[in-house]
Amino acid sequence: EDQVTQSPEALRLQEGESSSLNCSYTVSGLRGLFWYRQDPGKGPEFLFTLYSAGEEKEKERLKATLTKKESFLHITAPKPEDSATYLCAVQARRAGNNRKLIWGLGTSLAVNP
Amino acid sequence: NAGVTQTPKFQVLKTGQSMTLQCAQDMNHEYMSWYRQDPGMGLRLIHYSVGAGITDQGEVPNGYNVSRSTTEDFPLRLLSAAPSQTSVYFCASGSGYRSPLHFGNGTRLTVT
Repeated sequence: EDQVTQSPEALRLQEGESSSLNCSYTVSGLRGLFWYRQDPGKGPEFLFTLYSAGEEKEKERLKATLTKKESFLHITAPKPEDSATYLCAVQARRAGNNRKLIWGLGTSLAVNP
Repeated sequence: NAGVTQTPKFQVLKTGQSMTLQCAQDMNHEYMSWYRQDPGMGLRLIHYSVGAGITDQGEVPNGYNVSRSTTEDFPLRLLSAAPSQTSVYFCASGSGYRSPLHFGNGTRLTVT
């Protein structure tokens, strides 16, 4: 069964304290892995797409990496405005027209000033 | 550039009432979808559409209807609301197969 597990469920950091969020996945044939950020009361906001093992993408203080079993979202020197829930989702090659995404439950990140 | 717009933002219904959640996108995306988000369950696909006149069921379609008469609009109808439909509903749209989805800011629905 296709599955996405994110850890930790919640993470509290001091401003400037770097850390990583994990997304472990089980899917038969990966089409893509997506990272989103979700603020309270808002919809998920797209961050990155990774397609194959070894791929890396960066945006400001965030860097996403991908292996055959997991993805990491590295946050370097976070700021309070990075506080949000970070969601990971995978899409299987067999998803077809429905483009169904299998979602993790997210990591709730709080960055204290 | 508005992106994906959902209305209303909040709604309270009594059991058995009907309503339509509106979704509009201005990015000319062929693909549109509805998700619901519940604590401990993650996001789940309700219905989707790959173009005007084409709709299909996702993983949790029961109790919901959709239609797609234009590229821009994809309304979600609850015919007879039930407390189990209390949730946050998100509309999302996208272009190519491997492209990310763009989400609206959701409708928080409570059914009493």
